[in-house]
Amino acid sequence: GAVVSQHPSWVICKSGTSVKIECRSLDFQATTMFWYRQFPKQSLMLMATSNEGSKATYEQGVEKDKFLINHASLTLSTLTVTSAHPEDSSFYICSASLGQETYEQYFGPGTRLTVT
Amino acid sequence: SQKIEQNSEALNIQEGKTATLTCNYTNYSPAYLQWYRQDPGRGPVFLLLIRENEKEKRKERLKVTFDTTLKQSLFHITASQPADSATYLCALSKAGGYNKLIFGAGTRLAVHP
Repeated sequence: GAVVSQHPSWVICKSGTSVKIECRSLDFQATTMFWYRQFPKQSLMLMATSNEGSKATYEQGVEKDKFLINHASLTLSTLTVTSAHPEDSSFYICSASLGQETYEQYFGPGTRLTVT
Repeated sequence: SQKIEQNSEALNIQEGKTATLTCNYTNYSPAYLQWYRQDPGRGPVFLLLIRENEKEKRKERLKVTFDTTLKQSLFHITASQPADSATYLCALSKAGGYNKLIFGAGTRLAVHP
């Protein structure tokens, strides 16, 4: 149980284009999902908290107009990197929790984004 | 600002021995402390959660301790196996809210046959 998928697993795009990453909870409903990015040998950095049916809450320093998050249903959240630049190249990982009274998170397998 | 420290150097141990990983934190009072396993190129996998009022938690070959006075958690893997080789991440969170996690950078464990 508590399986989270991400698509695509990797993507290469040209500078200036936009890329959408999907995060799905396969066997449970996720009111809240989280988006992280991770640079090599560094910790996961929380980018934003995505709540179904409402606007995402972004962490300080994360540009909400650049990283668009949509949580349209209880099983799907999307992250769109708009006008991508090489410095946006990273490993993006989503996670979901089972509810506000549970504290562990279940992570997707991650998406490797390379912007050329 | 809050800081989580995990040993950045890899821990190399012999198969069958006990691996002990350390997580120290400052400027934070977590209600929960969690340990995750991350394999290269993959998302983290939840292992154990311990609450601030708990001293120790066990699950099969895993044991976690939580000392809120020392601001430290120890993560033990007994009878280690080569399959335990991975990076282990410590994560903190407060009670309530949307359960935001703050992660350490992780410690890489290598178990040699």
